Amino acid sequence: EDKVVQSPLSLVVHEGDTVTLNCSYEVTNFRSLLWYKQEKKAPTFLFMLTSSGIEKKSGRLSSILDKKELFSILNITATQTGDSAVYLCAVGGYQKVTFGTGTKLQVIP
Amino acid sequence: DAGVTQSPTHLIKTRGQHVTLRCSPISGHKSVSWYQQVLGQGPQFIFQYYEKEERGRGNFPDRFSARQFPNYSSELNVNALLLGDSALYLCASSLRAGWTDTQYFGPGTRLTVL
Repeated sequence: EDKVVQSPLSLVVHEGDTVTLNCSYEVTNFRSLLWYKQEKKAPTFLFMLTSSGIEKKSGRLSSILDKKELFSILNITATQTGDSAVYLCAVGGYQKVTFGTGTKLQVIP
Repeated sequence: DAGVTQSPTHLIKTRGQHVTLRCSPISGHKSVSWYQQVLGQGPQFIFQYYEKEERGRGNFPDRFSARQFPNYSSELNVNALLLGDSALYLCASSLRAGWTDTQYFGPGTRLTVL
């Protein structure tokens, strides 16, 4: 059965800190790894990764995929209170997608 | 352009009843996916439709069914509701099937089964 495991489950940091969120997976017929941010209801798309070793960046957020070791990390530098959310990792396979349980990040002033 | 819309926003049903949830994708998007999200968990994939055909199905019982209409909107139907069906039901749309296109999520329908 396909599995996506995120760690840590929750994290509390101070504004300005750098955080690293982890996602490991066991999925047959890997197609893509996706990161989403969920604040209230609708998850919003952050990154899609399909190739190993290529870092994707968007402002203070970046992510990289290791297809040999079957994991990805999401980095957030200079955190702000607006970064407080649940960060979801999902892996797209053949005709299905599997989500992790998410990492709840709280950034305190 | 309008984003993904879902209706209703909230719904309360009793065990054994049937429910229909609706989703309208972003204009130009031909694929719709449905997810169930229980509090404290990540979304669980239920169905994906593309061009009115089912393109993927998660591990949900046959009480769950869906369809996509010619205008690409979609309905999720759940029969014989159980207490455990209480959850946030999310719909997402994308240009194509699969998970190599960006998916845009709607605000969800909160279903409570009493």
